[in-house]
Amino acid sequence: RKEVEQDPGPFNVPEGATVAFNCTYSNSASQSFFWYRQDCRKEPKLLMSVYSSGNEDGRFTAQLNRASQYISLLIRDSKLSDSATYLCVVNRRPGSARQLTFGSGTQLTVLP
Amino acid sequence: ETGVTQSPTHLIKTRGQQVTLRCSSQSGHNTVSWYQQALGQGPQFIFQYYREEENGRGNFPPRFSGLQFPNYSSELNVNALELDDSALYLCASSERGGTTDTQYFGPGTRLTVL
Repeated sequence: RKEVEQDPGPFNVPEGATVAFNCTYSNSASQSFFWYRQDCRKEPKLLMSVYSSGNEDGRFTAQLNRASQYISLLIRDSKLSDSATYLCVVNRRPGSARQLTFGSGTQLTVLP
Repeated sequence: ETGVTQSPTHLIKTRGQQVTLRCSSQSGHNTVSWYQQALGQGPQFIFQYYREEENGRGNFPPRFSGLQFPNYSSELNVNALELDDSALYLCASSERGGTTDTQYFGPGTRLTVL
């Protein structure tokens, strides 16, 4: 079983749609959580951190459920520019290292 | 842009050869992490360098090695290249001891092993 699991998609949605991505992680020692966005053949870029209280950044809302070891990302009013792969990321701290563990990513295409 | 740079951008090698990839961290960042991203997969942690020492390693064999220099730049060396080493190699810099441990990625080096 992978340490971070995501639905690979692809998700094809029309502009303006709301889309939700889910992610589960297996290591209960994980301490911080992120969503990264990766455009085709580019590097991952931090989209937002995820907190237990939930957090929102414009059209993006992230939620964390530590008891269920579940992370979500909601995108409202999808734009063409949201088309990318969304990577769920957890940060374990074995010893003193900060090691990001990535899911395989969920591909989103927003259609005109 | 993150300010993290990597060189070269692309590289083609043959099996059995050795390769060195380079990374310059963002100004003020003292930690560099290296990741391997195979096609269709998420990045996988190779190792991290802090204060010129390896500080955590993922599930990669010893033929993957690295260095960090006093200016915090870093190198990734891979010996005895195998076909499965073909991937995008990403470095990420961060500021250990700062207010956040967010890792910022460079554009990557795309390695093809023939």
